[in-house]
Amino acid sequence: EVQLVESGGGLVKPGGSLRLSCAASGFTFSDAWMSWVRQAPGKGLEWVGHIKKKTDGGTTDYAAPVKGRFTISRDDSKDTLYLQMNSLKTEDTAVYYCTSSRAASDWGQGTLVTVSS
Amino acid sequence: DIQMTQSPSAMSASVGDRVTITCRASQAISNYLAWFQQKPGKVPKRLIYAASSLQSGVPSRFSGSGSGTEFTLTISSLLPEDFATYYCLQYNSFPLTFGQGTKVEIK
Repeated sequence: EVQLVESGGGLVKPGGSLRLSCAASGFTFSDAWMSWVRQAPGKGLEWVGHIKKKTDGGTTDYAAPVKGRFTISRDDSKDTLYLQMNSLKTEDTAVYYCTSSRAASDWGQGTLVTVSS
Repeated sequence: DIQMTQSPSAMSASVGDRVTITCRASQAISNYLAWFQQKPGKVPKRLIYAASSLQSGVPSRFSGSGSGTEFTLTISSLLPEDFATYYCLQYNSFPLTFGQGTKVEIK
């Protein structure tokens, strides 16, 4: 059974940084493209970015609102996905989900990030 | 970027109704379209991928169709547990984009 478990969320001040983690199990993590999706309170789903598997280059793509501030990485030896968030803004407040595959086949339970002074 | 426009944004329906939700892409995306269901306070769940392939474990009353720029999600006979918000996602090209959602409420 696929399991994705996010951690690292919390309250941070505007301009601050936070790193989210997503521990994966139940599938071959190194073979998977992985993504982050977020959902602001009461709003819809927003794709944040993704990272390809290493055999496809391991490259990343990001949504415009986070490009240059967020960095996605992976550690295949630990079956773990990361989202480094810098220069956080109040509009980054959301539940952050990690998802597997290009078409978001499986989702973690999400972790809440609140950016507020 | 590809814009995904869902319609309607909200609807009221009764148990047993046939429900159709539409998603239009601003440019052709072949069949790289997925549908998700989200209930309040819950994690989104994928129902359909590749426009018409049913996710394992999803009831057969859910179906998807379309290709190119126009896609539909159909629920053949609405059950009480189907009242939720539905989203489409195009994964043809980056950045991936979701539709704004369709909330299906009880009439």
